[in-house]
Amino acid sequence: AQTVTQSQPEMSVQEAETVTLSCTYDTSESNYYLFWYKQPPSRQMILVIRQEAYKQQNATENRFSVNFQKAAKSFSLKISDSQLGDTAMYFCAFMNYGGSQGNLIFGKGTKLSVKP
Amino acid sequence: EAQVTQNPRYLITVTGKKLTVTCSQNMNHEYMSWYRQDPGLGLRQIYYSMNVEVTDKGDVPEGYKVSRKEKRNFPLILESPSPNQTSLYFCASSQGLASRNTQYFGPGTRLTVL
Repeated sequence: AQTVTQSQPEMSVQEAETVTLSCTYDTSESNYYLFWYKQPPSRQMILVIRQEAYKQQNATENRFSVNFQKAAKSFSLKISDSQLGDTAMYFCAFMNYGGSQGNLIFGKGTKLSVKP
Repeated sequence: EAQVTQNPRYLITVTGKKLTVTCSQNMNHEYMSWYRQDPGLGLRQIYYSMNVEVTDKGDVPEGYKVSRKEKRNFPLILESPSPNQTSLYFCASSQGLASRNTQYFGPGTRLTVL
């Protein structure tokens, strides 16, 4: 069974600085997707970034980028120029490619606080 | 505006009183799913639906029912709620089998069962 581990329950960063959130996963599959979701205090689940496992190039979305290390089964999220609005819970998630269930497997989350 | 809506957003009820949480999407998505979120556990899938009249169990289906009579709607039914179903519930949808990797979430429903 696939598992997703986020080893940092809480983190904090000063505004305008850079922070990296860690995520590791365990799977025997070779094709899959990885995601980072953001959950602000409003509780809405917002997709931040996604990565296809077959792509070697790391995904980027504006200030958000990932470091995808397939052999190490690592998928960290880097937030550059942190803003107060980045304060939220961040969830790493895994989905098996081609699986009929379409099930996202989530980690337990990292609570990020951006301080002014 | 493309969105997934859920109602109600907050609900307090008592053990055994049947309730339904509605979910609707306006994106013509084929795939829909329900998750529950509990502290320290992340989100876990309850049920999912590949298309109209096609539903199947997720990882934690006990105590829940669903139906998919229309493409846009996917209600979650608790026939006899119990306190261990107190949780935050999310509905999600995605475009289809080829694109279900990008799931869009509703705003969440906070359910308390006393």
